[in-house]
Order: sequence, then C-alpha cells, then structure tokens
Amino acid sequence: NAGVTQTPKFRVLKTGQSMTLLCAQDMNHEYMYWYRQDPGMGLRLIHYSVGEGTTAKGEVPDGYNVSRLKKQNFLLGLESAAPSQTSVYFCASSGQRASYEQYFGPGTRLTVT
Amino acid sequence: AQSVTQPDIHITVSEGASLELRCNYSYGATPYLFWYVQSPGQGLQLLLKYFSGDTLVQGIKGFEAEFKRSQSSFNLRKPSVHWSDAAEYFCAVVPGSSNTGKLIFGQGTTLQVKP
Repeated sequence: NAGVTQTPKFRVLKTGQSMTLLCAQDMNHEYMYWYRQDPGMGLRLIHYSVGEGTTAKGEVPDGYNVSRLKKQNFLLGLESAAPSQTSVYFCASSGQRASYEQYFGPGTRLTVT
Repeated sequence: AQSVTQPDIHITVSEGASLELRCNYSYGATPYLFWYVQSPGQGLQLLLKYFSGDTLVQGIKGFEAEFKRSQSSFNLRKPSVHWSDAAEYFCAVVPGSSNTGKLIFGQGTTLQVKP
C-alpha cells in the first residue's frame, strides 16, 4: 500500500517549457488536491477534484491545469512555466467526506529558471 | 476575511521543555480542525484532528490540542519536547460549510529544539 505517490520528485524547467506532475493514490479516495508550498505562506490550494472526471479551481489556479481521467490519478500541468511557479508541489487525497482527513504525497520540488 | 493564523513563525525550546503552538481561525461555523507536521524535505503528516465532542484531542507522538470555541483557537501542546520534534507545524481548517474538504492552512510555525 503506497498511499499517495508523486512523480517526479525534482524537476528544473526553463521559462516557457511545459510539464505534467503526476499524483497517484491507491486508497480508492474520491477527493484529490494539488497544493503549492512557498516559504512563509503555508500551503495554498491550486486545484482539486471531488471525483473522477471532475475538477475545480482552488485559491491559486492561474497558470495551471488539471485532469482526473482516472479515479486514482490527478495530473497537474504547467503549459508555459514561469519563475513564479518555482515551488514545492504537494498532492493529497481524502476518502470520506465525514473525516476530511487528507493524506499527502512526498512532494515535487520544481525550479523554473 | 476567513483565515487561519499561526502567530509564531519560529519557536525555539529546550529539549524536555513544554511546548505550545498557537492557532486561531476566523470562520463563522465551527470548522474541522487539524494539525500537521512536516519534517525537512518530507510531506505532511497528520498529528491530530478535531471534528466534534471532547474539546481536548490526543494525537500521535505525544501531542494534544484543545479547541476553545470562545477564543476561536486550536492550540497544540506537548509536555516534554524531544529533539526529533524539530519540524514545521501547520494548523489547518476545513470550514464548517464546506462540501469539498478543502483545507485552509496557516502560515506554519518552525520549531527548533535546543539540546
């Protein structure tokens, strides 16, 4: 039981390049989330999904797109990376609405030069 | 504005001393409350949570937190800190009116433990 996994762990991009971050969970969770973590700002929600085939915007969605084609996977895309998107990205999942307990992946450290 | 505030950005305590990390929230309805810990280079681990009932909740690693509705607070405590507790701690809430489970995080408190 791997829980929540993220791929890749580290990545360096040049301004204007694109990439996709993959989040996978093996807990059959309905809810999945993408956060970014920046120093002194805690974690901020980028996009989230309440089920397969659904996505919604969070607090800081600009410059990112997401897809949830399969229940276990939640993809975060950067179409044209900018230095402001240098951050650590965390994926999380939650199974039961009643608990709202979120399980986090190990993170992806992205640097945009 | 709705928010979660952790007033202390950085705290240093001696090993064996007691610890209290503060968290205040500003939501009308009682939210669901959480404390997470993040060790350097790691993801977030849930320490404890409060949904309803007993306002003093016990968590892992010897931590506890107390919900005080009148003060809109959910402070984290530990009677005796160990060097391995050095980490960043995040308070987080899911607003009581939420149907999506979105977590709102505080800015975090970095705990340093002196030997």
